[in-house]
Amino acid sequence: GAGVSQSPSNKVTEKGKDVELRCDPISGHTALYWYRQRLGQGLEFLIYFQGNSAPDKSGLPSDRFSAERTGESVSTLTIQRTQQEDSAVYLCASSLVGWGGTDTQYFGPGTRLTVL
Amino acid sequence: AQSVTQPDIHITVSEGASLELRCNYSYGATPYLFWYVQSPGQGLQLLLKYFSGDTLVQGIKGFEAEFKRSQSSFNLRKPSVHWSDAAEYFCAVGGNQAGTALIFGKGTTLSVSS
Repeated sequence: GAGVSQSPSNKVTEKGKDVELRCDPISGHTALYWYRQRLGQGLEFLIYFQGNSAPDKSGLPSDRFSAERTGESVSTLTIQRTQQEDSAVYLCASSLVGWGGTDTQYFGPGTRLTVL
Repeated sequence: AQSVTQPDIHITVSEGASLELRCNYSYGATPYLFWYVQSPGQGLQLLLKYFSGDTLVQGIKGFEAEFKRSQSSFNLRKPSVHWSDAAEYFCAVGGNQAGTALIFGKGTTLSVSS
């Protein structure tokens, strides 16, 4: 079956502009995660959605970052007033039920964001 | 503090030689451990995972990893490396609470020489 998909694959924007990144999880997966991968760094957790529960936003670096998810489907990550330090690869992952580490997360190919 | 350390930033191995990538973790609860591989332009692919039971776990592509609780380590091994194994490898740890995000190491880049 189809894996996690993300769009766009690459995004170049000017400092101060808003960007929207999209994630389509694996069908039937109730949990969805956003991570950020800066050059030479590991992945940083941003936000987690589980079904209709309130999302865990504890990893969002600032109030310029927000994310939404409609039910158990598509999610969008929005970065307002982008800064150069936002340049990174943004990875989305989904898992079946989201119950901790026993539930394998499957990753999309990522969106490479470059802020000029 | 919860963390994952991959001490080697970059490793070069000859094709056909054995490989060991190191991973140490610090985690306050029962750790669940993962190794992912990321090839250029690709997303992360799960190689193997450890939840419980046998401390030596087998994964895809001929990889294996051994969980050593006393050393807080989860090193990845492969007996004979192929050129196609050149990629970046990430170790990650998670917990058993609902919605636990994975904590990743900074990765080890593997180069394979002929």
